[in-house]
Amino acid sequence: AQTVTQSQPEMSVQEAETVTLSCTYDTSESDYYLFWYKQPPSRQMILVIRQEAYKQQNATENRFSVNFQKAAKSFSLKISDSQLGDAAMYFCAYRSAVWTDKLIFGTGTRLQVFP
Amino acid sequence: DTAVSQTPKYLVTQMGNDKSIKCEQNLGHDTMYWYKQDSKKFLKIMFSYNNKELIINETVPNRFSPKSPDKAHLNLHINSLELGDSAVYFCASSQESAAEPQPGEQFFGPGTRLTVL
Repeated sequence: AQTVTQSQPEMSVQEAETVTLSCTYDTSESDYYLFWYKQPPSRQMILVIRQEAYKQQNATENRFSVNFQKAAKSFSLKISDSQLGDAAMYFCAYRSAVWTDKLIFGTGTRLQVFP
Repeated sequence: DTAVSQTPKYLVTQMGNDKSIKCEQNLGHDTMYWYKQDSKKFLKIMFSYNNKELIINETVPNRFSPKSPDKAHLNLHINSLELGDSAVYFCASSQESAAEPQPGEQFFGPGTRLTVL
């Protein structure tokens, strides 16, 4: 069975600085998707960034980028120029490319941003 | 024009009661899901439906019964509520097609916080 591990329960960063959130996963599949979701206090789940396993190029979305290391089964999220609005829980998630499969979430990392 | 909506957003009830949470998506997606987020923020799949057919039932107690009257709706009915059912329940949807611009992506509703007293 696939598993997702986030080893940092909490992280903090100064406004305008850069922070990296770690995620590792375990799978025997070769085709899958990886996601980072943000959950602010409003509890809405917001997709931050996604990566398809067959793509070697790391995904980027504005200030958010990932370091996808397929062989190492690692998928870290880098947030550049951190803003107060980035403070939230961040969840790493894995999804098999199998039709209609579920998301498997890590335990989350709470990110605090200090002014 | 909310993409995935859930009602109610908050639900407070007594142990032993029966309650329902409704979910609707207007994205034209063919697959819908229920996830449970416990008090430690851990998110786990409960069910998924594709075109009104049950696809995933992740060893959830049979007090929980999902119902999909059509592919835009997936409701969750819970019988004989227990204290341990207190959680946030999220509905999500996705379109399972290789032609999708973002295959694999699931869109989440705002969540329903259920409190059992």
